Amino acid sequence: DTGVSQDPRHKITKRGQNVTFRCDPISEHNRLYWYRQTLGQGPEFLTYFQNEAQLEKSRLLSDRFSAERPKGSFSTLEIQRTEQGDSAMYLCASSQMMGHRAFFGQGTRLTVV
Amino acid sequence: GESVGLHLPTLSVQEGDNSIINCAYSNSASDYFIWYKQESGKGPQFIIDIRSNMDKRQGQRVTVLLNKTVKHLSLQIAATQPGDSAVYFCTEGNYGQNFVFGPGTRLSVLP
Repeated sequence: DTGVSQDPRHKITKRGQNVTFRCDPISEHNRLYWYRQTLGQGPEFLTYFQNEAQLEKSRLLSDRFSAERPKGSFSTLEIQRTEQGDSAMYLCASSQMMGHRAFFGQGTRLTVV
Repeated sequence: GESVGLHLPTLSVQEGDNSIINCAYSNSASDYFIWYKQESGKGPQFIIDIRSNMDKRQGQRVTVLLNKTVKHLSLQIAATQPGDSAVYFCTEGNYGQNFVFGPGTRLSVLP
């Protein structure tokens, strides 16, 4: 069973550097979501795609954040000029277009030093 | 989006006892309610869901109860095991819409 795959699992970067994360959803899923999770909190919605179209962005997604899903398959989340406050677990999830369940990847743990 | 929330942030139970995790919701129009389990360092995993027109649904060792009158959802885990130690989230699943998570409840199973 091929679930949602995220790469890398861990990333340590210096403040001010750019980072990019990748998510490969379940192949037949049209929708792809990005969430951010900090310690002791639930996942916070960042953005989601339906196929290649980015349909919704949270106010949490500042100008330094950009997400793409160019061919409606995998997605990338880029953070420019990272800040220490960006340290978190970044979770990707996918679902069928009219599905009511999200399937999550294992996440990418970002540490900004 | 509407909010979902938990009554208790932490819950400790003795191994072998039953656990009950509660959740309050505010969106009466939700189609489904879903419980996820998140173990340390991992992404949330689906446990069980319940459609809004149902009151109870049972899985393997888990039961979800839905009380629409008071907008309350609960997850019951029978014979709690050490592997059940995790953070549990409830969320609403509406067809084609985003998923909103509350802070979760941390379940600790004591030996």
